[in-house]
Amino acid sequence: DTGVSQDPRHKITKRGQNVTFRCDPISEHNRLYWYRQTLGQGPEFLTYFQNEAQLEKSRLLSDRFSAERPKGSFSTLEIQRTEQGDSAMYLCASTLATLHTEAFFGQGTRLTVV
Amino acid sequence: AQSVTQLGSHVSVSEGALVLLRCNYSSSVPPYLFWYVQYPNQGLQLLLKYTSAATLVKGINGFEAEFKKSETSFHLTKPSAHMSDAAEYFCAVSDPGAGSYQLTFGKGTKLSVIP
Repeated sequence: DTGVSQDPRHKITKRGQNVTFRCDPISEHNRLYWYRQTLGQGPEFLTYFQNEAQLEKSRLLSDRFSAERPKGSFSTLEIQRTEQGDSAMYLCASTLATLHTEAFFGQGTRLTVV
Repeated sequence: AQSVTQLGSHVSVSEGALVLLRCNYSSSVPPYLFWYVQYPNQGLQLLLKYTSAATLVKGINGFEAEFKKSETSFHLTKPSAHMSDAAEYFCAVSDPGAGSYQLTFGKGTKLSVIP
């Protein structure tokens, strides 16, 4: 098991373009989370899935953001019409839906919108 | 609603000195509490967690934290700092009754270790 992997690690895009990030969780983990971390801040919750169902979305997840986990395995996070304020580190985490379980984080995708 | 306050965005200690990183939380229910460490351009690694068992929790790399309900605190300590401890540390809280187990993080404390 190689842990949670995210791709790409870095992405530079022009304002107005669409971007898509991928997260591959630990294989037996049924829960997957997306967080956003801006400079000088802690990570902020965006959304989470249990298997393929998206169960909760933060108010931070505007309608330009969409996340999917089509087969309950990997997940994608798409941002449409990117804005400079979208520049951040996007972190993915996975866990088992049982109490006391550690959430394992990926290394993140750093997005820079120019 | 839950929140976490980490006192001190930057802390500097000499190598071999005590490390103390402060975390206070606000929660309407008995929380779960966590400390994570983040190295530059990396994800987060769990150092330790409190999940309503022992109030003194030992973690990896010699770190420990004590849950003090009366003070709503969960401060992180290490007796002797190593150069490799230089990183950013995040305290986080979750509501075990919420079902989502989502984490609410503090703003982080950057630890510098002076040789």
